[in-house]
Amino acid sequence: EIVLTQSPGTLSLSPGERANLSCRASQSVSSIYLAWYQQKFGQAPRLLIYGASRRATGVPDRFTGSGSGTDFTLTISRLEPEDFAVYYCQQYGPSPPLFTFGPGTKVDIK
Amino acid sequence: QVQLQESGPGLVKPSQTLSLTCNVSGGSINSGGYYWNWIRQHPGKGLEWIGHIYSSGSTSYNPSLQSRIVMTVDTSKNQFSLNLTSVTAADTAVYYCARGRRFTYGSSAFDNWGQGTLVTVSP
Repeated sequence: EIVLTQSPGTLSLSPGERANLSCRASQSVSSIYLAWYQQKFGQAPRLLIYGASRRATGVPDRFTGSGSGTDFTLTISRLEPEDFAVYYCQQYGPSPPLFTFGPGTKVDIK
Repeated sequence: QVQLQESGPGLVKPSQTLSLTCNVSGGSINSGGYYWNWIRQHPGKGLEWIGHIYSSGSTSYNPSLQSRIVMTVDTSKNQFSLNLTSVTAADTAVYYCARGRRFTYGSSAFDNWGQGTLVTVSP
């Protein structure tokens, strides 16, 4: 089973700053199977990025996904007040089908 | 716009069976390219995929829970269900239903989620 590690655990930043969130896999992950989600307090997660770099419908272009192999990054170019939330990476292993999530990175207001 | 809504008891006794249903509205559960998932989140913790089911009835389950899970689909009612047997306090969590989507490039992710329902396991 592939284990995902996210760092940092918490990122304290101010609105307008750039956020770089890391997701590292215990073994190589196909890029097409790496996704990122945003979860605000008391809400369900929301898909931001699929296929490592493709934005989901309606996701602002300040969100960018990148990476390959075992190292993936979600970058928020300029934090807006609504971006302060928890972010999870997720990978899919097709055989047998298994989805696993990272532990999350909390982006909070400095 | 497809919407998913979980329903079921909020309190289940230990050793009993947790039963939840997800109603899908605004679109057909038979639509191609989608699969239907249950995901849970323990209080204050991360996300755990439980399993998924296709409209055909084909299922895949998380190996860690496989022995206790049964998922079913009722296409006539546009809904799918989760049964989790022999529950313990460790099964207390928010349970989400979510639509899985296979994108054009072969990618796969959960693109639509229900609001979640808290299930507490307690005597």
